[in-house]
Amino acid sequence: AQKITQTQPGMFVQEKEAVTLDCTYDTSDQSYGLFWYKQPSSGEMIFLIYQGSYDEQNATEGRYSLNFQKARKSANLVISASQLGDSAMYFCAMRGPSGSARQLTFGSGTQLTVLP
Amino acid sequence: SAVISQKPSRDICQRGTSLTIQCQVDSQVTMMFWYRQQPGQSLTLIATANQGSEATYESGFVIDKFPISRPNLTFSTLTVSNMSPEDSSIYLCSVGTGRVQETQYFGPGTRLLVL
Repeated sequence: AQKITQTQPGMFVQEKEAVTLDCTYDTSDQSYGLFWYKQPSSGEMIFLIYQGSYDEQNATEGRYSLNFQKARKSANLVISASQLGDSAMYFCAMRGPSGSARQLTFGSGTQLTVLP
Repeated sequence: SAVISQKPSRDICQRGTSLTIQCQVDSQVTMMFWYRQQPGQSLTLIATANQGSEATYESGFVIDKFPISRPNLTFSTLTVSNMSPEDSSIYLCSVGTGRVQETQYFGPGTRLLVL
C-alpha cells in the first residue's frame, strides 16, 4: 500500500520569500508518479507539478519546483518568490502502476499562509 | 487538459433527502473519479466510474448511499442519498486514464451542507 505523509499542518512565509513544503512517501512500486495540488479557499483542486519516479531531473513549473530525493522517498515542493495569492492548502499525492495503487493517494495537506 | 464542470456548485439540504451532483467534461475520458473532502480533511476516493460498467467503490462507501451513473464518456452523476450532517463535504469529480504519469484534473467541486 502506498502512503503520503505531510508533516507540516501549517506554514507561514513572508511575501517574496521562498518556502519548502515537505512530502514523504512510501511505496513498494518502482514506477510511480508524484503530484502537488493547490486548493484555495474556493475548494477547487489546481494541479501544480508532476514528478515521475524515473525522471532524473527535478521538475519545475514557473515558480514551483519539486525537490525529488528518491533514496529518501521525499518530494518536497519549493515555491519561490511567494505571493499573497499562494495562500492555500497544498496537497502532495502519488499514483502507482497497478491495482489499488492506480488511484491517487493524498497526504493530509499543508496550509500555507503568505504574510504581507 | 480537460475542462470539468460540476453542478450544483453548492447546496444546503435537509437531512433525509438526496442530492444528485453532475459532472460534465469537455472531452471523452476513460475514467471518472468521485472524491469526498470532509471539513479540514484530505481527499478520499469514493468510487471510480467507467462508461458502460458498474462503478467500483472504495472501502467504506456503498452503492446504496452513493449511487453513480456514467451514461457516456463525458458525463457522470453522483447521488448522495438519505443525507445526514456527516455528509457535509466538498464533493469533487476528477478525470483521467489512471496511467502512472498522467495528471489527473479536478472539477471545481460541490460544497454540500446538510442540516
